[in-house]
Amino acid sequence: DAGVIQSPRHEVTEMGQEVTLRCKPISGHDYLFWYRQTMMRGLELLIYFNNNVPIDDSGMPEDRFSAKMPNASFSTLKIQPSEPRDSAVYFCASSGLIGTSNTGELFFGEGSRLTVL
Amino acid sequence: DAKTTQPNSMESNEEEPVHLPCNHSTISGTDYIHWYRQLPSQGPEYVIHGLTSNVNNRMASLAIAEDRKSSTLILHRATLRDAAVYYCILRDPYHTGANSKLTFGKGITLSVRP
Repeated sequence: DAGVIQSPRHEVTEMGQEVTLRCKPISGHDYLFWYRQTMMRGLELLIYFNNNVPIDDSGMPEDRFSAKMPNASFSTLKIQPSEPRDSAVYFCASSGLIGTSNTGELFFGEGSRLTVL
Repeated sequence: DAKTTQPNSMESNEEEPVHLPCNHSTISGTDYIHWYRQLPSQGPEYVIHGLTSNVNNRMASLAIAEDRKSSTLILHRATLRDAAVYYCILRDPYHTGANSKLTFGKGITLSVRP
């Protein structure tokens, strides 16, 4: 299995531009998580999905952030408009419930490093 | 959500055992204890997890207190590559909703001296 795949790995953009981050979870996993990591705040959970349905988006900073999961194999995190304070590494992770031949562990992608100038 | 508390940092010598503690006094009966680590410039990776019994795998051992209010991650022989941030997290994988998410704290930063 290829693991969780995120794109792009690096993104540099200017303030006000739209940013779209993409994630392909591991096949068969029914949970998908978006995290953000900064030096100041550490790893923060932004939103997570179960069976493509958003369960908890209380970590989404504000209306400029939105996430979708149109099908079991793809999710996007969009920031519009972007601001310098959005600069961070964004991680996507997936997992399944115990009983689906896995142990509930989260598998993380390599992250998307976003820099907003 | 049940919380965990860990020291901010620990130091170890290479090839010596390391015991990383974690307190989780409000753990519920269905919470699993998970440990993840994050190497520099990488995403977090799973290390080990357990419910009640001590667990061993190729990476580490997990010792769980009888009352489950604390646990210890044991690296039997630390190497320089083990220098990372180690997170102790509780997760209830049998339920959907809030208990399914993994909330990372600040973790413990392990430094390994040559």
